[in-house]
Amino acid sequence: GENVEQHPSTLSVQEGDSAVIKCTYSDSASNYFPWYKQELGKRPQLIIDIRSNVGEKKDQRIAVTLNKTAKHFSLHITETQPEDSAVYFCAASYEYGNKLVFGAGTILRVKS
Amino acid sequence: DTAVSQTPKYLVTQMGNDKSIKCEQNLGHDTMYWYKQDSKKFLKIMFSYNNKELIINETVPNRFSPKSPDKAHLNLHINSLELGDSAVYFCASSPSTGGSYNSPLHFGNGTRLTVT
Repeated sequence: GENVEQHPSTLSVQEGDSAVIKCTYSDSASNYFPWYKQELGKRPQLIIDIRSNVGEKKDQRIAVTLNKTAKHFSLHITETQPEDSAVYFCAASYEYGNKLVFGAGTILRVKS
Repeated sequence: DTAVSQTPKYLVTQMGNDKSIKCEQNLGHDTMYWYKQDSKKFLKIMFSYNNKELIINETVPNRFSPKSPDKAHLNLHINSLELGDSAVYFCASSPSTGGSYNSPLHFGNGTRLTVT
């Protein structure tokens, strides 16, 4: 079925530490994997995305890695700051790109 | 000049009522969506329209009826509201169908529906 599993559900880190969130997907045809950040009471916003022909992508303190064989992808945030505190969602494309299926979200808390 | 705007922001109503949520995008996108976010923050797609044509219709009760008068608008009408319909409903748009690298989703600010 169409499934995206995301772990952990909550993550607390000290300011300056790194945070890693992991997702797995079920459809080997999925070829697009975005990550969204949702601050409290606000809309989800795209922070980084990767397509299946790329293994890693970086944007300043944020990086995403993809292992297509294992159907895993991960979000890495380095030098975390209090403003990184939010809910993070991974997603994968299904039905030949007609829809995105989201993971259940990870609540990230950065303690200062 | 909000890119994806939806109204109302809050909607409080009683069980059994009928209500509508409106969504408009000014990005020139071809595809629009409704997502439901429940109390556990889970984001689930409900409907997707591409150029006014329904392309995704998940297992949503038929009390929910989307309508797209043109590709810039996608409204959601809900009949006979139930307690379990309480959630945040997000409208979104993308340049084309939303599962590709060149077609990221842009979300509206959400409508918090509370059914009492």
